Amino acid sequence: GAVVSQHPSRVICKSGTSVKIECRSLDFQATTMFWYRQFPKQSLMLMATSNEGSKATYEQGVEKDKFLINHASLTLSTLTVTSAHPEDSSFYICSAKSPGKDTEAFFGQGTRLTVV
Amino acid sequence: GQNIDQPTEMTATEGAIVQINCTYQTSGFNGLFWYQQHAGEAPTFLSYNVLDGLEEKGRFSSFLSRSKGYSYLLLKELQMKDSASYLCAVMDSNYQLIWGAGTKLIIKP
Repeated sequence: GAVVSQHPSRVICKSGTSVKIECRSLDFQATTMFWYRQFPKQSLMLMATSNEGSKATYEQGVEKDKFLINHASLTLSTLTVTSAHPEDSSFYICSAKSPGKDTEAFFGQGTRLTVV
Repeated sequence: GQNIDQPTEMTATEGAIVQINCTYQTSGFNGLFWYQQHAGEAPTFLSYNVLDGLEEKGRFSSFLSRSKGYSYLLLKELQMKDSASYLCAVMDSNYQLIWGAGTKLIIKP
C-alpha cells in the first residue's frame, strides 16, 4: 500500500514557540492531504484539508493563523503550530489520498506534541 | 447534523468472535471505512464498503446496509494483538470522512 511519512513522531516544545510537522507521501502524488487532531480517548477531528498549490480549507473553529498549513508540492504538506500553548498538546495525524483511490486514506504515523 | 454511533468499549475472549456495530446519519454517502488504532499510533485501514453486503478479508469482515444506515465489523479468532480501538468513518457527499468516536476492544485470555 501507499506510504505516508510524518515527522517528527514526538516533539516537546516550550510555550510560545512554534513547531513544524511534516507529512510526506513517499510513493505517490497526493493532491489532497488532511490534517487531524486527536485528544486522548476521542475521535479524530479534521482540522483542515490541504490542496497542493492552493490555500488550505480549515474546519470551523480551527484558527488558520495559529495552524499554518503549506502544501507546496505533490508529496509534502506541513503543519506549523505557532505560538504553542499547553492546550495545543495533542496527537496530530496527517493523511493523504492517492489520486483515483478514494477507497483508502493513508495515514502518517502521527505526531505527539507536548507543550510545556 | 451528521452523526456516527458506535459502542464506547467492548470486551471479548481470545479465540472468540466479536461484532462491533456502527450506525450513521450523514449528508450523502460515498462509502464506509473501518480503521484499527492502537494506543498512541495512527489508524490503519481495515475495510471499505460502498455497496450493501458482507466483505470478508481474512479474520475480519465488514457488513453494510445503506437503507438502515448500519455497518458492523466482525473479528474472528480473536488474538491479544487485536486489542485496540476500532474506528468507523463515513465518507459524505463532499468526500469528507466523518469519524465515529471509536470502540475500544479489550481482549481477555
